[in-house]
Amino acid sequence: EAGVTQSPTHLIKTRGQQVTLRCSPISGHTSVYWYQQALGLGLQFLLWYDEGEERNRGNFPPRFSGRQFPNYSSELNVNALELEDSALYLCASSSIPGSFSNQPQHFGDGTRLSIL
Amino acid sequence: GENVEQHPSTLSVQEGDSAVIKCTYSDSASNYFPWYKQELGKRPQLIIDIRSNVGEKKDQRIAVTLNKTAKHFSLHITETQPEDSAVYFCAAWNAGNMLTFGGGTRLMVKP
Repeated sequence: EAGVTQSPTHLIKTRGQQVTLRCSPISGHTSVYWYQQALGLGLQFLLWYDEGEERNRGNFPPRFSGRQFPNYSSELNVNALELEDSALYLCASSSIPGSFSNQPQHFGDGTRLSIL
Repeated sequence: GENVEQHPSTLSVQEGDSAVIKCTYSDSASNYFPWYKQELGKRPQLIIDIRSNVGEKKDQRIAVTLNKTAKHFSLHITETQPEDSAVYFCAAWNAGNMLTFGGGTRLMVKP
């Protein structure tokens, strides 16, 4: 079974540019989560999509946005890039969250974004 | 919102010794607590998880305990091996529908 796949693996951009990152979840998973991991720091929750809808977003500005497609793959878009956006962007997927508790999230290898 | 604190930030043990990492959470409605291991340059990997209706769970050398009253949970690794060296993250899923991570613990197992 293929795991979560992300593309591209590395990306270099300059301040003010826009970037799109892509994620394909594990087959059968409908939920996709995006996290930011700055160098040496923990994981910060960005966005959660399930069944094509945005279910929740973390404490990030509106220039961070995304969407989920009918095949459950997802894109993360970041506009007006700033130096502090340099980080590893991780995507995770899970099966349908239960009403009582969440299901395990499985991560992809991430996209390392460097802003010059 | 939820706040998850993790201690210690670094932990150095001798091969064969045990390692314990502790996390506290603030939202009493949190009901799912996974632990992830992240080796350098690799993806976080789920190593064990526990739900709020269970007090303890074991998987070979790894165990997790949960104290809902005190709102803390711990990861225990016995008979540590050099390949256990990595950064470990705890997390809590809360009623706000998000997974909040602790700051991470860098575990170093010295041969």
